[in-house]
Amino acid sequence: GESVGLHLPTLSVQEGDNSIINCAYSNSASDYFIWYKQESGKGPQFIIDIRSNMDKRQGQRVTVLLNKTVKHLSLQIAATQPGDSAVYFCAGRYNFNKFYFGSGTKLNVKP
Amino acid sequence: DAMVIQNPRYQVTQFGKPVTLSCSQTLNHNVMYWYQQKSSQAPKLLFHYYDKDFNNEADTPDNFQSRRPNTSFCFLDIRSPGLGDAAMYLCATLPGGLAGADTQYFGPGTRLTVL
Repeated sequence: GESVGLHLPTLSVQEGDNSIINCAYSNSASDYFIWYKQESGKGPQFIIDIRSNMDKRQGQRVTVLLNKTVKHLSLQIAATQPGDSAVYFCAGRYNFNKFYFGSGTKLNVKP
Repeated sequence: DAMVIQNPRYQVTQFGKPVTLSCSQTLNHNVMYWYQQKSSQAPKLLFHYYDKDFNNEADTPDNFQSRRPNTSFCFLDIRSPGLGDAAMYLCATLPGGLAGADTQYFGPGTRLTVL
């Protein structure tokens, strides 16, 4: 089946530093990618998305980079805050309406 | 303000006793999804509906069934829950359609415990 996987299971950063979370995907036909934030006991929350015809997209304090050549995307969080502590998932869309999730990275922000 | 509502938030059932989880949406979205998420794992797609069209994932056990009686509601039925079915069950929606946006909207999830 399709897979979208992450390189690092946990990431610890100091408050104020920048965070980078990475993700690899297997299906080159995937046309759309999303990063989600999931806090304990809650559903995934949309952070930012990117279409496959783009290589970079910026939001407020977050940037997603897409490298289709190596099937890799990353989430950059600027000036990481304690409220950013959560598990982050990437997801890729396949076959129009299906989404497959990566295994997740837990971000710990140390004050 | 809640857009995707899941009830109950916590469900306890006994081994082998059928259980139904509920999802409703106020977004009028065409597509509704059920995901299973086990502890420290990614959400795994079980099935989804595009309007009334049911789309099952190949590896979803027959023990899991779903119903969508109308646009707003979707149910997940677990016919004979096993201990391995204990998980968070997430419902999500998507506008769908040619001009629809791409973003899924997730509910808060139902935590299922099997005793």
